[in-house]
Amino acid sequence: AQSVTQPDIHITVSEGASLELRCNYSYGATPYLFWYVQSPGQGLQLLLKYFSGDTLVQGIKGFEAEFKRSQSSFNLRKPSVHWSDAAEYFCAVGTTGNQFYFGTGTSLTVIP
Amino acid sequence: GAVVSQHPSWVICKSGTSVKIECRSLDFQATTMFWYRQFPKQSLMLMATSNEGSKATYEQGVEKDKFLINHASLTLSTLTVTSAHPEDSSFYICSQPGGGSTEAFFGQGTRLTVV
Repeated sequence: AQSVTQPDIHITVSEGASLELRCNYSYGATPYLFWYVQSPGQGLQLLLKYFSGDTLVQGIKGFEAEFKRSQSSFNLRKPSVHWSDAAEYFCAVGTTGNQFYFGTGTSLTVIP
Repeated sequence: GAVVSQHPSWVICKSGTSVKIECRSLDFQATTMFWYRQFPKQSLMLMATSNEGSKATYEQGVEKDKFLINHASLTLSTLTVTSAHPEDSSFYICSQPGGGSTEAFFGQGTRLTVV
């Protein structure tokens, strides 16, 4: 069965520090992997996605993620966090039927 | 990517009343739309798949008589929460499949509070 695990419910980082949000997945076929960000009261914004090819993918707002098949992981990273990055982050597996399975989310707080 | 407009963005209703949430595809036709629900501090869970011109497909545990889905046109899908109760208070969000790339485009979501 498909599942997505985000082990960190909440992370606090200082502005300018680096960030890594963890994501592990379980999927029977080649996964289509996504990271979305959700600001309070807002919908989901796509940060980046992995379908195939280069396992290090670049996204918007300076985010990147690396697909590691051996670890079933797709961790999200940013070298220098900005205060505006404070939000909820969701990792997701997409299926060929365009359905999504989401992790429980990681809430990011950025302190000055 | 596609633009999906969801309305209303938030709604407060009394227990026992019904609430309709609209999801519009503004620039692509969508034969399929997905409806998700997100309870506080939880992830988004797929509720149902709406199919233009046919019945919706509901996930296990989702009451089809309570969550009425209508997909009457290629640009509009609606979710009606009937006889709403406080436990139905949640964040509801729709999505439209992307081209053939297993992508999806999400609406802004609707925050429903039942009092």
